[in-house]
Amino acid sequence: GESVGLHLPTLSVQEGDNSIINCAYSNSASDYFIWYKQESGKGPQFIIDIRSNMDKRQGQRVTVLLNKTVKHLSLQIAATQPGDSAVYFCAETNTGNQFYFGTGTSLTVIP
Amino acid sequence: GAVVSQHPSWVICKSGTSVKIECRSLDFQATTMFWYRQFPKQSLMLMATSNEGSKATYEQGVEKDKFLINHASLTLSTLTVTSAHPEDSSFYICSARQPSGRDTEAFFGQGTRLTVV
Repeated sequence: GESVGLHLPTLSVQEGDNSIINCAYSNSASDYFIWYKQESGKGPQFIIDIRSNMDKRQGQRVTVLLNKTVKHLSLQIAATQPGDSAVYFCAETNTGNQFYFGTGTSLTVIP
Repeated sequence: GAVVSQHPSWVICKSGTSVKIECRSLDFQATTMFWYRQFPKQSLMLMATSNEGSKATYEQGVEKDKFLINHASLTLSTLTVTSAHPEDSSFYICSARQPSGRDTEAFFGQGTRLTVV
């Protein structure tokens, strides 16, 4: 299998500041990655994706960076808002089929 | 975006009984669906891949006789937790991908909270 989840690391940021959430993936053959947001008691929601032939992709207030050399993904959230408080997971796939999830980070935005 | 629906959202059952969880793709056909389990404050762990019309593929360490998966149609997969015990209490989540290409997002159901007492 892929990376196994451990207890969630946490990140606290002030409202309006930028957030950076990091993820290390395990499979060098993974070629497609997604960041998901999960609120308490709900299923994950898509935020942004990136293919392995890219190193950066921007969305609305979010940017994903991919460093294949060190197998590292990051999610940058600009002007973080209270509604951004949630758990964030990166997910990887190398078959175009199953997704495997990283450890996750719990983000708390302080008003 | 596409919608994946799970039922029930919450279930409490007695130890030793079986529980069935349904996962439906509401606006697309899914030849493949995925079942995950998530313990509190932990990540999603892939349990199995559900294949329409054929046997499910289980991840290493997942008991296929305990977690029965049936994918009888292109819009429905079911996970049955047989002879449930308190250690099976968890959040179970299904997902599906639209068959429109390789690099597409997976859509997730809202999850099912199982509590075995």
